[in-house]
Amino acid sequence: GENVEQHPSTLSVQEGDSAVIKCTYSDSASNYFPWYKQELGKGPQLIIDIRSNVGEKKDQRIAVTLNKTAKHFSLHITETQPEDSAVYFCAQNTGNQFYFGTGTSLTVIP
Amino acid sequence: NAGVTQTPKFRILKIGQSMTLQCTQDMNHNYMYWYRQDPGMGLKLIYYSVGAGITDKGEVPNGYNVSRSTTEDFPLRLELAAPSQTSVYFCAIGIGSEQYFGPGTRLTVT
Repeated sequence: GENVEQHPSTLSVQEGDSAVIKCTYSDSASNYFPWYKQELGKGPQLIIDIRSNVGEKKDQRIAVTLNKTAKHFSLHITETQPEDSAVYFCAQNTGNQFYFGTGTSLTVIP
Repeated sequence: NAGVTQTPKFRILKIGQSMTLQCTQDMNHNYMYWYRQDPGMGLKLIYYSVGAGITDKGEVPNGYNVSRSTTEDFPLRLELAAPSQTSVYFCAIGIGSEQYFGPGTRLTVT
């Protein structure tokens, strides 16, 4: 299958600081890159996405950047809050299939 | 969970037993997916369907079967359960490129 690498696997930040999670992918034909937040015991929830014709997208405190040449995309969370603590997954879409990163466990320390 | 219902929530199976994981949506969307999530890992696509009567294999289909006789239902069948199938299973619907996940079924095979 397609390879999506996600880093870091764990991340701890102080409340109010920023958090950045990075993913790289291998399929240059991919054109859709979503990010999901998964809280304990729940299914993943789509929080933001970006398409290949856009370099950056923002939604309040979260933003995603995409570098198609380098085949990487990043999630940025600013002014982190304790409720941002969760596992975050990146994914890429190739045809009808989605390939996920291995997740980043984010802890926001009050 | 975007109108996606999964049953059961939990199940313990003995090796060699069979079971069906149920997934139902009430939003009349054509695209549906089954994923498994192993501890500390991302989601892996098992099977997907682009509409009633149409199913296709994902990244990890071995040991599973699906059917899609109606738009609403997309059951996942395990015929001969093996310990390697211990996982959390998520069903998702697709709305355009976006995916929305159900709450999951935690399956243990012993």
